[in-house]
Amino acid sequence: DADVTQTPRNRITKTGKRIMLECSQTKGHDRMYWYRQDPGLGLRLIYYSFDVKDINKGEISDGYSVSRQAQAKFSLSLESAIPNQTALYFCATGQVPYEQYFGPGTRLTVT
Amino acid sequence: AQTVTQSQPEMSVQEAETVTLSCTYDTSENNYYLFWYKQPPSRQMILVIRQEAYKQQNATENRFSVNFQKAAKSFSLKISDSQLGDTAMYFCAFMKYQGGKLIFGQGTELSVKP
Repeated sequence: DADVTQTPRNRITKTGKRIMLECSQTKGHDRMYWYRQDPGLGLRLIYYSFDVKDINKGEISDGYSVSRQAQAKFSLSLESAIPNQTALYFCATGQVPYEQYFGPGTRLTVT
Repeated sequence: AQTVTQSQPEMSVQEAETVTLSCTYDTSENNYYLFWYKQPPSRQMILVIRQEAYKQQNATENRFSVNFQKAAKSFSLKISDSQLGDTAMYFCAFMKYQGGKLIFGQGTELSVKP
């Protein structure tokens, strides 16, 4: 089984809808991250969490919120989706100073 | 703030040849980590290689090696004996010591041609 899972893998939604992207990990890591990938921009950090009670904004948090339900679960919400939130979203987990393990990504399209 | 720049949006190489992908970064930190990640068409992010800034020796993983120039803030990836399976987007990334957050470059799309 995959160490980091994301659901859904693909999603098409309409402008103004609320959507939640879910992430689970079996690595036992405390730290979890949400990134967004856009062509020509690489991956940018949306939110990160160093433990269940610690949530921090990343580089591009506007329009997003997160919930850390447990050590293994970290969800990303778009309260009112807009077309420029169309992107590939990645969840990751890791222990400093080692590499981060990424989920398979969620392709989100907002029409 | 740290920044990472990959100035080559696209590159191509013939199978079995060698190719070098460039990456530069800007930081005032002395201790940090640098990574190269590979993203094949499956879109999975796969770690290729990792370098600790305090180590002078360049990291090597099989056909993949880096040229880490700390003073120049340069971190290039060399792929030897390129294979068709190396076709992917490659991202350079920076992490502060004890920081945890990754800062990515824009990516270089590499095509390996038969």
